[in-house]
Amino acid sequence: AQSVAQPEDQVNVAEGNPLTVKCTYSVSGNPYLFWYVQYPNRGLQFLLKYITGDNLVKGSYGFEAEFNKSQTSFHLKKPSALVSDSALYFCAVRDIGYKLSFGAGTTVTVRA
Amino acid sequence: GAGVSQSPSNKVTEKGKDVELRCDPISGHTALYWYRQSLGQGLEFLIYFQGNSAPDKSGLPSDRFSAERTGGSVSTLTIQRTQQEDSAVYLCASSPTGTSMAYEQYFGPGTRLTVT
Repeated sequence: AQSVAQPEDQVNVAEGNPLTVKCTYSVSGNPYLFWYVQYPNRGLQFLLKYITGDNLVKGSYGFEAEFNKSQTSFHLKKPSALVSDSALYFCAVRDIGYKLSFGAGTTVTVRA
Repeated sequence: GAGVSQSPSNKVTEKGKDVELRCDPISGHTALYWYRQSLGQGLEFLIYFQGNSAPDKSGLPSDRFSAERTGGSVSTLTIQRTQQEDSAVYLCASSPTGTSMAYEQYFGPGTRLTVT
């Protein structure tokens, strides 16, 4: 089965500083990788995906992610974090049967 | 346009009762998924429907859980004889097709189930 891991339970950054949320993957074959964000009492919102092509993927709300095959990583990044970016972030991989397998999630807190 | 909707948003039930959770996918989406989000288990896949094909039930945790999808649109997840460990947020998602790895899934707001 395909899987992803998010090594950090929490990430804390100051507003205006760069934000990075880490994700590593373990797949057989080509990886199909996704990032989602969840605000309190809300469902998951799609941010971006890597299917093929450029290793730097741009998504919603100024987020981007870098696919690194040699390091089997797909880290989410934002050059300048906002307080409103505080949320729970999930990395996911497309698994057998087309379902998504999610990481445990990383709570991001951006302080003013 | 309208996103995925789920009802009810919150459900409190007594242990041993049956519950039904409803999902309305985005119009035209042929693939529909149910996931469960709980503190101890994170986000878990439950079941997947694609068009008229037989559903993938491989994630259902017990035979107390079942789901159906009528007319290729609305889906209902039923939990019989609820247990306290069933307490979780149940999320529904849809995508344009389930037979491509490339499409993202669009999630509803979820139903928070509390079993007392």
